Amino acid sequence: NAGVMQNPRHLVRRRGQEARLRCSPMKGHSHVYWYRQLPEEGLKFMVYLQKENIIDESGMPKERFSAEFPKEGPSILRIQQVVRGDSAAYFCASSHGPTYGYTFGSGTRLTVV
Amino acid sequence: AQTVTQSQPEMSVQEAETVTLSCTYDTSESDYYLFWYKQPPSRQMILVIRQEAYKQQNATENRFSVNFQKAAKSFSLKISDSQLGDAAMYFCANYQLIWGAGTKLIIKP
Repeated sequence: NAGVMQNPRHLVRRRGQEARLRCSPMKGHSHVYWYRQLPEEGLKFMVYLQKENIIDESGMPKERFSAEFPKEGPSILRIQQVVRGDSAAYFCASSHGPTYGYTFGSGTRLTVV
Repeated sequence: AQTVTQSQPEMSVQEAETVTLSCTYDTSESDYYLFWYKQPPSRQMILVIRQEAYKQQNATENRFSVNFQKAAKSFSLKISDSQLGDAAMYFCANYQLIWGAGTKLIIKP
């Protein structure tokens, strides 16, 4: 098991385009979490999903951002009509549940030009 | 509101010495879980140690241990026999939903 796989590692988008970030959790993990990290800052929680369900999206901006974790396939974080302020590293983590330590992916660095 | 505060933006320690990183938190929950994560230059976030609030005993993982003071809402990380590979950003988190701003740990050879 290669751990949590995120792709792409780097993503460049022009303002107004869509960004799709993918996350495949560790085998056996059904809980997925997305975070955003700005330079020199800690992680900001965005959304917590369990297979086919959004459990907590309190950290997700109300507009342009959406997340899903389908029954089959990776979790997707989608950002529509990207703006320069969306430039950040986006990390995905998976676990057996919220009280267990998470396994993090290597992140996707999104740059909006 | 739940908060996690790391008041030390940067700490440095001589190799083989001991260093303590501070973390305070605020929560209204009676049961919760606290975590320390390490983020080396590779940016991979790595779990260092986990503490369950209802457990009196401080968690320990090899050279890493915590000093958990529940009444004071303090959760510091002690690194013994510091090694060059310990150089990283260290983040404290509550339930892994609320994160501190991080402490940059520098190891001096």
